Amino acid sequence: DAGVIQSPRHEVTEMGQEVTLRCKPISGHDYLFWYRQTMMRGLELLIYFNNNVPIDDSGMPEDRFSAKMPNASFSTLKIQPSEPRDSAVYFCASSFADRGRFNEQFFGPGTRLTVL
Amino acid sequence: AQSVAQPEDQVNVAEGNPLTVKCTYSVSGNPYLFWYVQYPNRGLQFLLKYITGDNLVKGSYGFEAEFNKSQTSFHLKKPSALVSDSALYFCAVRTFGNEKLTFGTGTRLTIIP
Repeated sequence: DAGVIQSPRHEVTEMGQEVTLRCKPISGHDYLFWYRQTMMRGLELLIYFNNNVPIDDSGMPEDRFSAKMPNASFSTLKIQPSEPRDSAVYFCASSFADRGRFNEQFFGPGTRLTVL
Repeated sequence: AQSVAQPEDQVNVAEGNPLTVKCTYSVSGNPYLFWYVQYPNRGLQFLLKYITGDNLVKGSYGFEAEFNKSQTSFHLKKPSALVSDSALYFCAVRTFGNEKLTFGTGTRLTIIP
């Protein structure tokens, strides 16, 4: 299995530009999570999906952030317009929820976003 | 609400010595506890988990963790540290019916040759 795939691995953009981060979860997994990691705030859950439906987006910082999951094998996190304080590493993770089991989340390698 | 505390930002251990990385938690109900490791410029990797049963859980790379309900702790341990164990370690907790994992702030483990 290829694991969780994220693209791009690095993104440098200028303030005000739109940024789109992409994620392909592990095949067969029905949960997908987007996290953000910074030195100041640590690891924060932004949003998660179950069977392509957003379940909890309470961690999304502002309306500038949006996430979609059009099908079971693809999700995007979009920031429009981007700001320097959005600079962080963004992780996607997926898991398989089997009744009676509590399976771990598998993380992608992350996208390092720098907004100038 | 669920929360995790990792009281030590940094732990230094000599190679070959036993290591402990501390974690305490707070939840309503039964906790389901996880340890993850993060190497530089990589995503988090799962190490081990406690769901139910034996309080001593064994995981990857020779790590183990002990669940202590009375002390609400889930400390990560290894009998003999390797330089390659140097990394950032995260404890996390969730509860039944809640897929959200709450992570601690992380502990940077440095193994000194």
